[in-house]
Amino acid sequence: DTEVTQTPKHLVMGMTNKKSLKCEQHMGHRAMYWYKQKAKKPPELMFVYSYEKLSINESVPSRFSPECPNSSLLNLHLHALQPEDSALYLCASSQNRAETQYFGPGTRLLVL
Amino acid sequence: AQSVAQPEDQVNVAEGNPLTVKCTYSVSGNPYLFWYVQYPNRGLQFLLKYITGDNLVKGSYGFEAEFNKSQTSFHLKKPSALVSDSALYFCAVRDMGGTGGFKTIFGAGTRLFVKA
Repeated sequence: DTEVTQTPKHLVMGMTNKKSLKCEQHMGHRAMYWYKQKAKKPPELMFVYSYEKLSINESVPSRFSPECPNSSLLNLHLHALQPEDSALYLCASSQNRAETQYFGPGTRLLVL
Repeated sequence: AQSVAQPEDQVNVAEGNPLTVKCTYSVSGNPYLFWYVQYPNRGLQFLLKYITGDNLVKGSYGFEAEFNKSQTSFHLKKPSALVSDSALYFCAVRDMGGTGGFKTIFGAGTRLFVKA
C-alpha cells in the first residue's frame, strides 16, 4: 500500500480564519513533507519532518505552522493567510530521506 | 548546485506513436533521479527512479527511462502512447548534498498531449 491521504480535499477560508490541513500515511515512513503547488508549476518544498522532528523549513512565513503529532500524521495549521497563498497543498512521505516520495492527492485551498 | 531541466513545455504525440519527454540534470555526486506524473487536480504519482544499476529503468504504466551519464540525461519514454497518458510530467533529482537527500528538486514540468 503506497497511500497518503489528505483532508480536506477542498478548503475555502477568509484571511482571518484558522484552519488545519491533515495528512496521514500508514506505510511506516519516517520522513514527511509539505509542498505548495501553484497551477502548472512544480511543487515547492515547505517543510520536512524526519522521525517526527522538523528537519527543513524553507523560509516559510509563520502563518503556516507544521506539526507532526506522531509518525503517521502531519498537520499544517493555517492562520491569517493571504489570497496569494491559494494553491494546492501536497503532503508526501518516504521511507527515508533518499527513497521515493509518495504524494497524497492534495488539498485545494482558496483564500478569500 | 543541483538542477533539473525539462526543455519542452509541451509534447504532442498521436496515439499509438512512441513518446519521449526530455530531462537533463546537473548534480554533484551520484544522481538520484525520478519521474512523476500529475493528472488534473491530483497529487503526483511516482513512475520510476534511477539510483544505480541498469541504465534502462522500467516503471509503471509501460513507461521507461534511460539514464545517460555522459549526456546527463534521463529521458522518459513509452513505445506506444495512449490518450490517457495525457498529463503533466515532472523530472526530479534528490539533493544528496547539503540537505542530505531530504530536498527534491523538480523540473518545470512538461505537458504531454496524446491525440486520438
